[in-house]
Amino acid sequence: EPEVTQTPSHQVTQMGQEVILRCVPISNHLYFYWYRQILGQKVEFLVSFYNNEISEKSEIFDDQFSVERPDGSNFTLKIRSTKLEDSAMYFCASSEGGRGNIQYFGAGTRLSVL
Amino acid sequence: DQQVKQNSPSLSVQEGRISILNCDYTNSMFDYFLWYKKYPAEGPTFLISISSIKDKNEDGRFTVFLNKSAKHLSLHIVPSQPGDSAVYFCAASSPQGGSEKLVFGKGTKLTVNP
Repeated sequence: EPEVTQTPSHQVTQMGQEVILRCVPISNHLYFYWYRQILGQKVEFLVSFYNNEISEKSEIFDDQFSVERPDGSNFTLKIRSTKLEDSAMYFCASSEGGRGNIQYFGAGTRLSVL
Repeated sequence: DQQVKQNSPSLSVQEGRISILNCDYTNSMFDYFLWYKKYPAEGPTFLISISSIKDKNEDGRFTVFLNKSAKHLSLHIVPSQPGDSAVYFCAASSPQGGSEKLVFGKGTKLTVNP
């Protein structure tokens, strides 16, 4: 069964460093998403991406964050200068269509900012 | 901002019995609801969904009921199996602005005892 894959599974970084989290969405999907879950809290929407541009972003997704689809298969989330409060589980998701379509999630990348 | 609430952090049931997981929402614009389950170290896995034009959707052992007037939905698992032990998330989306984002509840940890 097709699945969303994310790498790395765990990323440790120092505060102020840049990190790139990588995702390979399901191949025929056209919509891509990033969510995060801070320990003990809800899964929160960060950004959605369609047709090579951001279609929606939350207030969490500030100028420190960016997304890119550098080739036909990868979808990345970059955090330019990490803060302690960026420590969370980051989930990538993809769907065939937009609203009303099931979003399929990857296993997540645990980001630890020291 | 708790637009989707799962007020029971945990639920324990005996194998073979019914599990009922509840979810309340405050945003009357939500019109599409999903349940995901999550095992440790994995991403959320889609379970079942329901559109606001229906009040029930069934898939095998899983049934979701939607009560729009009460802004309440529930997931019934019958019969419950030990492999159902996981965290269950309720999620919702709204057509406002064509948004694709899912708004999640905090989750309910279900334990099914053999």
